[in-house]
Amino acid sequence: GAGVSQSPSNKVTEKGKDVELRCDPISGHTALYWYRQSLGQGLEFLIYFQGNSAPDKSGLPSDRFSAERTGGSVSTLTIQRTQQEDSAVYLCASSLEGQGRSPLHFGNGTRLTVT
Amino acid sequence: QKEVEQNSGPLSVPEGAIASLNCTYSDRGSQSFFWYRQYSGKSPELIMFIYSNGDKEDGRFTAQLNKASQYVSLLIRDSQPSDSATYLCAVNTGKLIFGQGTTLQVKP
Repeated sequence: GAGVSQSPSNKVTEKGKDVELRCDPISGHTALYWYRQSLGQGLEFLIYFQGNSAPDKSGLPSDRFSAERTGGSVSTLTIQRTQQEDSAVYLCASSLEGQGRSPLHFGNGTRLTVT
Repeated sequence: QKEVEQNSGPLSVPEGAIASLNCTYSDRGSQSFFWYRQYSGKSPELIMFIYSNGDKEDGRFTAQLNKASQYVSLLIRDSQPSDSATYLCAVNTGKLIFGQGTTLQVKP
């Protein structure tokens, strides 16, 4: 596909369960971002991968959140022991260049609901 | 102080008017600035971006940078009801940080 692909599109989970969200960026894009958007709010930066560099994890809200990017391509965001406040849309985006020099292309997001 | 700030609005303008959206940023070293539009329930889509070397015009949209005052503006001329959306500003601080967004309402 030509765009950023995220799966699942919707996820409902019980409080305390672990979830994994997947992002498949545009081929050739070196940078990959995860953002979180709560209802009616802006985009909250979570984590940023650039090539083979160590990721910028400065936005992760707690140690329950982690992410990896394998082979410089697909990324997985994992939330352990989910809480109700984790309910949000999780957006993945990729860009051709890193360090904010080129525009981001967004996926359709994963809507996470923690019950 | 937040890294990127926007007035949440809503900003209401009549159809055909000019809508002016502003975004302030704290990092003086920022070199690139992006404007995204987000319709309710959808992902953000890029409108335009500028670098620190100048303003840009694209159709009805103009992005302007004031480096001294550290703000970037988006002007929408001849506003249409279909322009009603939330407008997000993103600033390069070594990574892209977004503002909270401004909701624009264009009334017919």
